Amino acid sequence: DVKVTQSSRYLVKRTGEKVFLECVQDMDHENMFWYRQDPGLGLRLIYFSYDVKMKEKGDIPEGYSVSREKKERFSLILESASTNQTSMYLCASSTGLGTEAFFGQGTRLTVV
Amino acid sequence: AQKITQTQPGMFVQEKEAVTLDCTYDTSDQSYGLFWYKQPSSGEMIFLIYQGSYDEQNATEGRYSLNFQKARKSANLVISASQLGDSAMYFCAMREGGFTGKLIFGQGTTLQVKP
Repeated sequence: DVKVTQSSRYLVKRTGEKVFLECVQDMDHENMFWYRQDPGLGLRLIYFSYDVKMKEKGDIPEGYSVSREKKERFSLILESASTNQTSMYLCASSTGLGTEAFFGQGTRLTVV
Repeated sequence: AQKITQTQPGMFVQEKEAVTLDCTYDTSDQSYGLFWYKQPSSGEMIFLIYQGSYDEQNATEGRYSLNFQKARKSANLVISASQLGDSAMYFCAMREGGFTGKLIFGQGTTLQVKP
């Protein structure tokens, strides 16, 4: 079974903290994605990566950065968390021209 | 730029009836892929169906079919014989054809199935 695992299901952080969200996949997929999900806005792409150390900005990269040092791991970094980054964060992976993307269980982040 | 639009924030359907969820997309790529996902209240993302831009036949998976109209750039999901368990949020998504495989989603449609 393909597995995409996110390090935390729920997370509470303080404003100004540096926050790391980790995502690991076990299917040797080239592509990995980070989305945030907010009511009425759907899933918005923050960053994605199509190879180790390769990354591209999505639609809402401001306030975020990413790291992909190994193929199986894709980290999302909030450099200085703010309350408007309170959201559900979803990680996904797929092959390059895949017919399916696999999702992690999501991390609900609350910034107080 | 690529864009996915789902214009129905919420839909109701009677149990056992069919329902169509709308999705339009915008891309300049010739090669791309279209997806539908279901997200129940538990939050997991469940893959339903995939359509490649060069596929001539509409994709079908059990009670799900994708009504692909390339000229209109639409990829509507049809659920036949709705069940109570179909109540969920549904997302349409598109993968671009370039080597990066960028994948973007629409805003989602909440479907409620009435008994």
